[in-house]
Amino acid sequence: NAGVTQTPKFQVLKTGQSMTLQCAQDMNHEYMSWYRQDPGMGLRLIHYSVGAGITDQGEVPNGYNVSRSTTEDFPLRLLSAAPSQTSVYFCASSYSRLGSLGYTFGSGTRLTVV
Amino acid sequence: KNEVEQSPQNLTAQEGEFITINCSYSVGISALHWLQQHPGGGIVSLFMLSSGKKKHGRLIATINIQEKHSSLHITASHPRDSAVYICAVTGATNKLIFGTGTLLAVQP
Repeated sequence: NAGVTQTPKFQVLKTGQSMTLQCAQDMNHEYMSWYRQDPGMGLRLIHYSVGAGITDQGEVPNGYNVSRSTTEDFPLRLLSAAPSQTSVYFCASSYSRLGSLGYTFGSGTRLTVV
Repeated sequence: KNEVEQSPQNLTAQEGEFITINCSYSVGISALHWLQQHPGGGIVSLFMLSSGKKKHGRLIATINIQEKHSSLHITASHPRDSAVYICAVTGATNKLIFGTGTLLAVQP
């Protein structure tokens, strides 16, 4: 089925460990983005990409890296996990940055850092 | 003050009731989105609006650009409508700005 696929769904890390959250879409969307969702707060933008080879920082980029080597994939890397990065992470894509045809979200990754 | 405010934060309704969730925003926008998130689940896009009104099944979304306000209505509510409803706007920087969501519980 077409859509946005996120893996893993759940992950527990120890402080200082690194890991990569995977995001892939098969809709040929140019725009992809990563958000984190914390209790009592709206989703916040971490990083985004307007096309292959182009990435930029969002509202809360510290501690995260991204790359966009292909249109389909947009992985999010945690360099050295901290308890403050415990959150639910969502990847989203759309045809354009304006989201003029709406956004498609992945099912989320629940990350706990202990 | 958040740029996107939703009310109420929590809402409990009886099955069959008409439900309204409100969203106000304080920035210039190119579009407003209504999203649905079931407990422990992913996020689904319900509507994208830049003006007027849209309807899909029992869901109706309206927007008043002059008043910077949007409403999401659910007619003949059902327990399966229980979810968090999130309002988001595409702002001047073309980035999504999210409200904190409205938790809706529809009791049978």
